[in-house]
Amino acid sequence: DTEVTQTPKHLVMGMTNKKSLKCEQHMGHRAMYWYKQKAKKPPELMFVYSYEKLSINESVPSRFSPECPNSSLLNLHLHALQPEDSALYLCASSSGPGQGQYEQYFGPGTRLTVT
Amino acid sequence: ILNVEQSPQSLHVQEGDSTNFTCSFPSSNFYALHWYRWETAKSPEALFVMTLNGDEKKKGRISATLNTKEGYSYLYIKGSQPEDSATYLCASYNNNDMRFGAGTRLTVKP
Repeated sequence: DTEVTQTPKHLVMGMTNKKSLKCEQHMGHRAMYWYKQKAKKPPELMFVYSYEKLSINESVPSRFSPECPNSSLLNLHLHALQPEDSALYLCASSSGPGQGQYEQYFGPGTRLTVT
Repeated sequence: ILNVEQSPQSLHVQEGDSTNFTCSFPSSNFYALHWYRWETAKSPEALFVMTLNGDEKKKGRISATLNTKEGYSYLYIKGSQPEDSATYLCASYNNNDMRFGAGTRLTVKP
């Protein structure tokens, strides 16, 4: 199984809502990533988990809260988002964290709209 | 600031043409360069990861080269096919930070 799954595919939420994005992989990968991609822009790295510990946090606002309950699952909890947070949120995993020498396997993304 | 630039932004070629595009990245504190292929409505798919200056990698009709001293990588597609139509993203890993370029959108016309 070389698939990374993400749920939901689409999410519309108001600025006062609390929601979560989920990501799952069963490849035994030990690093997982969250990216944010706005239209016609490059994906931007948000968080990296290595061996279930947060290793990189790219100065992301606290209204985004990552969680890695186990080595197969990665969540992104959302609270009090702004309309400018509307974007495609991509999850990825790699067999090891290292120094970027491992290819990443991406999920299809969650399209988030904040109203 | 880590800037990764890709050119051209978009490219239209005829089936059978060979084509190439460029990724430029900072050469300082460089560790790895990734290429991904992203078809519409699908997940980005890894093509190559390269780390050494002078690296050349090949997968079928697609190949890539790496120059870490001057900070550029080329991706080549030989004999383009309509199914090669996609956005090709590169990403550079420097000093514990990974940054993507905005991609080159390739359209191959039958």
